[in-house]
Amino acid sequence: GAGVSQTPSNKVTEKGKYVELRCDPISGHTALYWYRQSLGQGPEFLIYFQGTGAADDSGLPNDRFFAVRPEGSVSTLKIQRTERGDSAVYLCASSPNRGVYTEAFFGQGTRLTVV
Amino acid sequence: AQKVTQAQTEISVVEKEDVTLDCVYETRDTTYYLFWYKQPPSGELVFLIRRNSFDEQNEISGRYSWNFQKSTSSFNFTITASQVVDSAVYFCALSEALSGANSKLTFGKGITLSVRP
Repeated sequence: GAGVSQTPSNKVTEKGKYVELRCDPISGHTALYWYRQSLGQGPEFLIYFQGTGAADDSGLPNDRFFAVRPEGSVSTLKIQRTERGDSAVYLCASSPNRGVYTEAFFGQGTRLTVV
Repeated sequence: AQKVTQAQTEISVVEKEDVTLDCVYETRDTTYYLFWYKQPPSGELVFLIRRNSFDEQNEISGRYSWNFQKSTSSFNFTITASQVVDSAVYFCALSEALSGANSKLTFGKGITLSVRP
């Protein structure tokens, strides 16, 4: 079966523009996470969805960042007025169960470059 | 606040050597989970192991072994008889149990392992 799919794999945008990054989780996975990985660093948590709702968005750096998951499957991370500091790899992960530990499966990420 | 420290940044070994990757963590929680992930050049994070804070038994899986010591807040990872395919970035991570175990991982900065033929 398919793993977590992220599109696009690469995105180059100009400073100040708006971007959307898409994540297709594994079918049936209720939990979905977004992380950001800057060069030479470990991934940093951004937001966690359980179903359609954001259960924890404490990692979003500021109000330029927003994420949705309207039907409880595909999620979109939206960044407004992009800045050069937003350049990073954005990773998405999903896992099947609520409240019971299960492994999170990661996608290959979207490399965002703001020029 | 949680913190994961991977003091080693880059390690280079010759194939068949054993190598240990160190991980030290900080947390105020009594219940927590520790993880190791591998990130090959393709970029995808590959889960290797999870350990909960109540289980200090060491674990061996093939050439991989893990040593968890609560007394020193360490969760070290050893690769025995390393192979070129082991070349990757390895991350240690921590999560609080109350957050749903794997929902909010705090990662270390990673260790780049290069295995030369």
